[in-house]
Amino acid sequence: GQQLNRSPQSMFIQEGEDVSMNCTSSSIFNTWLWYKQDPGEGPVLLIALYKAGELTSNGRLTAQFGITRKDSFLNISASIPSDVGIYFCAGGVGSGNTGKLIFGQGTTLQVKP
Amino acid sequence: ETGVTQSPTHLIKTRGQQVTLRCSSQSGHNTVSWYQQALGQGPQFIFQYYREEENGRGNFPPRFSGLQFPNYSSELNVNALELDDSALYLCASSPGTSGRISHEQYFGPGTRLTVT
Repeated sequence: GQQLNRSPQSMFIQEGEDVSMNCTSSSIFNTWLWYKQDPGEGPVLLIALYKAGELTSNGRLTAQFGITRKDSFLNISASIPSDVGIYFCAGGVGSGNTGKLIFGQGTTLQVKP
Repeated sequence: ETGVTQSPTHLIKTRGQQVTLRCSSQSGHNTVSWYQQALGQGPQFIFQYYREEENGRGNFPPRFSGLQFPNYSSELNVNALELDDSALYLCASSPGTSGRISHEQYFGPGTRLTVT
């Protein structure tokens, strides 16, 4: 089945540093999405990407949909303590009004003040 | 605008029992998806409902079933609970505009199910 490989598994960085994480797959996806999940809560949508090569920003977050449609990266600039959490990439499959998300295992981010 | 809500927050059941989890979709959203998230893992797609019909299913056995109601709210039912069913169950809604792909899924806080 379709699987997503995320990198890195975890990061421990200093406040103010930039962060980069990515996901790769052997399969093509129609969409790539990035979510953040805090303990005890559901994932929160950060960025959705719909076209190969698309580069989208949301505040300090920037994500890109890989040209091959098999990968995506997320950058966080000038990290702050509230960036702590687990970041998931998700690939969207399906067409029309159907559609499921395939999630990676998540990258755990810890920020030292 | 009201977000996705789920109930109950936590639930403890015994192996072999049945459970029903509930979800209210975000205002204006007509598609609901359910996911199972084991500890330390990413969410796994269970199934999706659109216009009160199952609209795609993941690799879960038939004892996982669901419903969607005319107001787009949804239920997830699990029969004959097993210890491995212990997980966070997430509901997500999306706008699902006709003829348009909508993978922008907005998640509720989840229901933590523990099977003993």
